[in-house]
Amino acid sequence: QVQLQESGPGLVKPSQTLSLTCTVSGGSFSSGDYYWSWIRQPPGKGLEWIGYISYSGSTYYNPSLKSRVTISVDTSKYQFSLELTSVTAADTAVYYCATEGAVTKSFQHWGQGTLVIVSS
Amino acid sequence: SYELTQPPSVSVSPGQTARITCSGDALPQQYAYWYQQKSGQAPVLVIYKDSERPSGIPERFSGSTSGTTVTLTISGVQAEDEADYYCQSAASSGPYRVFGGGTKLTVL
Repeated sequence: QVQLQESGPGLVKPSQTLSLTCTVSGGSFSSGDYYWSWIRQPPGKGLEWIGYISYSGSTYYNPSLKSRVTISVDTSKYQFSLELTSVTAADTAVYYCATEGAVTKSFQHWGQGTLVIVSS
Repeated sequence: SYELTQPPSVSVSPGQTARITCSGDALPQQYAYWYQQKSGQAPVLVIYKDSERPSGIPERFSGSTSGTTVTLTISGVQAEDEADYYCQSAASSGPYRVFGGGTKLTVL
């Protein structure tokens, strides 16, 4: 069973870069079975898909965030990461990492989520 | 940008049937997925590919599709089913994933 755990700063200043890491355990990181995804949820609001990276390193991002987002992978550490630049208060959210099944196309496994607050 | 539309809230009494709809222009061409999110927890997949149920999800959860609308049906609702439910799909152009706004299911 794949397990995911997000880590990173819980407080980021406006205009700075938000950086989060997701550590994967219990699955084959490079098997091609999954896309490695980030999803966020502002407090009291709905879910927003941020983007994914495939085992081969291909990425696709939400067009509304594309200019500020980078998702990368470090297979040796069983980790994938999110960087979001030039953050504002609107980027305050719980950030989830998740696996999207390459066949089912559904978000099968989720991390517990980590709250990131953008504030000076 | 592509959008999926859900009702903000649905209320049912225990034992009744709850139906949550999700509308989107690309749904005839793209599969829909449903997630249950209880307060303070990460979402859980309850339906994939319109109507398939993952292992471990109770049989009272089912999904259906008709044209540009997909429906999550919960038969014999239990108090533990009270949660927010989100539909999710993809745009017809490109691998852009999108979530509906969510529906709060209240068990009266």
